[in-house]
Amino acid sequence: GIQVEQSPPDLILQEGANSTLRCNFSDSVNNLQWFHQNPWGQLINLFYIPSGTKQNGRLSATTVATERYSLLYISSSQTTDSGVYFCAVVLNKFYFGSGTKLNVKP
Amino acid sequence: DTAVSQTPKYLVTQMGNDKSIKCEQNLGHDTMYWYKQDSKKFLKIMFSYNNKELIINETVPNRFSPKSPDKAHLNLHINSLELGDSAVYFCASGRTGGSSPLHFGNGTRLTVT
Repeated sequence: GIQVEQSPPDLILQEGANSTLRCNFSDSVNNLQWFHQNPWGQLINLFYIPSGTKQNGRLSATTVATERYSLLYISSSQTTDSGVYFCAVVLNKFYFGSGTKLNVKP
Repeated sequence: DTAVSQTPKYLVTQMGNDKSIKCEQNLGHDTMYWYKQDSKKFLKIMFSYNNKELIINETVPNRFSPKSPDKAHLNLHINSLELGDSAVYFCASGRTGGSSPLHFGNGTRLTVT
């Protein structure tokens, strides 16, 4: 199957800081999605982004499919951004990375 | 208005019992999934149904039996529960081949004592 690697595994930020999360994958895929799991356990779809760049408020994502990676940018982080961020690639089925655990401190 | 709803939210039971988790989606999707999330937060696919047909069946013990009565529902029945079954189980839905955003239910936290 496809290998999906996320980095860093853990990240601690001070509120207001910016950050970049990375997702590398080992093969060509049909699309890529980013998810946020909040501290209450809910999994929310952030981006459906097979290629290019998308923005949603303080969050943006860029996928460079030809180079097999995607980046999730969080600007002006807030405590509500805390949780685990997953990327998942799709080729016949979803392959999830192991996540980046983010802790934003006030 | 909940897009993907699953019940119950919490399930505490003893070893050897049988339990079921129900899932419903109102997004008009044709594909539904069951995922298991362990204590390390890793999401593992268990089953996937497309238009009520089983299309993915990962290495899951036979004690786990999914059923999809229609495109909007996917239930999970677990027989003879074991301690190792304790986890959070997520239902999800999307369009065929992952061609749309995947939406998750809020999860069912199963604790086997």
